[in-house]
Amino acid sequence: RKEVEQDPGPFNVPEGATVAFNCTYSNSASQSFFWYRQDCRKEPKLLMSVYSSGNEDGRFTAQLNRASQYISLLIRDSKLSDSATYLCVVNRDDKIIFGKGTRLHILP
Amino acid sequence: ETGVTQSPTHLIKTRGQQVTLRCSSQSGHNTVSWYQQALGQGPQFIFQYYREEENGRGNFPPRFSGLQFPNYSSELNVNALELDDSALYLCASSPRTTLPYEQYFGPGTRLTVT
Repeated sequence: RKEVEQDPGPFNVPEGATVAFNCTYSNSASQSFFWYRQDCRKEPKLLMSVYSSGNEDGRFTAQLNRASQYISLLIRDSKLSDSATYLCVVNRDDKIIFGKGTRLHILP
Repeated sequence: ETGVTQSPTHLIKTRGQQVTLRCSSQSGHNTVSWYQQALGQGPQFIFQYYREEENGRGNFPPRFSGLQFPNYSSELNVNALELDDSALYLCASSPRTTLPYEQYFGPGTRLTVT
């Protein structure tokens, strides 16, 4: 079993809709969690850190569930520019583990 | 822009050769991590350098080695290149003050091994 798992998608979602992704991690000692977005043939860009209490940044909401060992990302009122691959990242003991990413296509 | 730069942008090498990739971290960041990203995959952690010492390593063989310099810039060296080493190599820097260690990526070096 991979240490960080994501549904690869693609998720095809109409503009304006709400979409949510989950990411599961297998090691309960994981310490910090992030969502990155990556556009085609570009480097990953930090979208947001994920805090235990959950956090929001504009249309984006991230949640952490330590008991079930998953993190989630919710995107509200999706825009065409949200089309990208969303990478879940887990940090444990100076190891940083990326998921394979979930591809999101926002449809006009 | 993150302020993290990498060189070269693209590189073509032959199997068995050696390659050195370079990364300049963002100002004020003392930690650099290197990743390998194959097509269609997430980045795979190679190793991390903190204040010139290796501080964490992924599942990569010893022919992947690195250095960090006093100005916190870094090099990734790969010896005895194999065809499977063809990938995008990313470096990321972080300030490493308190958790979470948010990382900021450079644009990457695309390595092709023929």
